Order: sequence, then C-alpha cells, then structure tokens
Amino acid sequence: VMTQSPATLSLSPGDRATLSCRASQSINNNLAWYQQKAGQAPRLLIYGASTRATGVPARFSGSGSGTEFTLTISGLQSEDFGVYYCQQYFDWKMFGQGTKVEI
Amino acid sequence: EVQLVESGGGLVQPGGSLRLSCVASGFPFSAYWMSWVRQTPGKGLEWVANIYEDGSQKYYVDSVKDRFTISRDNAENSLYLQMNSLRTEDTAIYYCARDNFGGYFAHWGQGALVTVSS
Repeated sequence: VMTQSPATLSLSPGDRATLSCRASQSINNNLAWYQQKAGQAPRLLIYGASTRATGVPARFSGSGSGTEFTLTISGLQSEDFGVYYCQQYFDWKMFGQGTKVEI
Repeated sequence: EVQLVESGGGLVQPGGSLRLSCVASGFPFSAYWMSWVRQTPGKGLEWVANIYEDGSQKYYVDSVKDRFTISRDNAENSLYLQMNSLRTEDTAIYYCARDNFGGYFAHWGQGALVTVSS
C-alpha cells in the first residue's frame, strides 16, 4: 500500500512544496512521481526515486529510499498546481491516492 | 514523438463487453511492455494489465482476472483490452501506457472513458 500525505496542500506561487509518500514495505528506490492536471493524463516527473524525467524542470526533486519518499517543488509556479501521485514498481505496480497542490 | 491514441470507449450495460484499442507511434512498439491503467474518482489510479513485448506474458490485477484480456498486434503497432462481464465498478477512464524499464510509465494516451450503467 502506498500512502501519500497530505491529501491537500494549499500554497502560494513561490512557496516550497513538500509531498510525502510512504510504502507499507521496502521498495528500494523503485518509485515514480507523476503530475496530473484536470482533464489530462498523468505526466511522469521522477523515476528511480530521484531521477528527473526528460524535460522536467530542476525545481522538481525527489528523494528517499526503502519506505519513505519525498517530492519537493522549489519555488511553485502557476503551472505546478494539480494532483501529484507516487507509484511503486517494486512489487507489481501500485499508485498512491494523490496529493492535491492548490492555490 | 511518442504518441498513444486510445479508442473504443463508451456506455455499456452491466454484464456487457467492450474492446479498447490503442495505436502507438514514435517508438519501436515491439520493444516495449505495454500496460492499461484506469482512473476512477473513488479509487484513483489503478494498473489493470500489462503485456510483454512479443505478447507471451500477460499480467492482470486480481479484480479483472478472467474478465479482461490484454493483447497486442506488433505489425499494427496496436494494443487492445477486451473487457467482458463488465461491472459498474469498472467505470473509469482507461489509459494506454508504455512501460519503461522497471515498470514506470513515461508515456500515456489521452484516455478512453468507459461507463458501465443500466
């Protein structure tokens, strides 16, 4: 089971966002982060817990291993507001329930 | 540019069937695992099934085993999901996605809405 917190994060442009994802058992670094905006498919941001996908701005960073993971967005921009999901791919594939980042 | 385009969604009654298709372009389709992932307001994102490059291996989430069948046609760069004995809880947006090495999804289609209702 993948548990994300908080469910909602209310922030202002320029703020730092810290999103957490916890796995019920160790998944090594087999974790990805996605961003989803309304009406769109998810977009891959991070894989391998900390590697940015192609084209993802440097303000997005991922960290963690084992069971505790963090996605940090340094200096929120207007286009960063949306829902963020973590996904483990160590044991099958399972998503967290999401964290909504809102203004 | 990688593109995945789904089709075949729609409204179907409980117990009915539907077949989703996904046409891929912009990458060597036969060199990648492919998946179907669905999204509902209640359960969020859920991986449904995936299929090996040559179609010889297929895996499913427990809730769809024996009802859904994933398949592919590498000559046509196409992925399919045959859904039988549909239930109301199968109502979701179904995404076609390319499995990247290890099992995350770098590319997604735009989604196909499946509504199961009487």
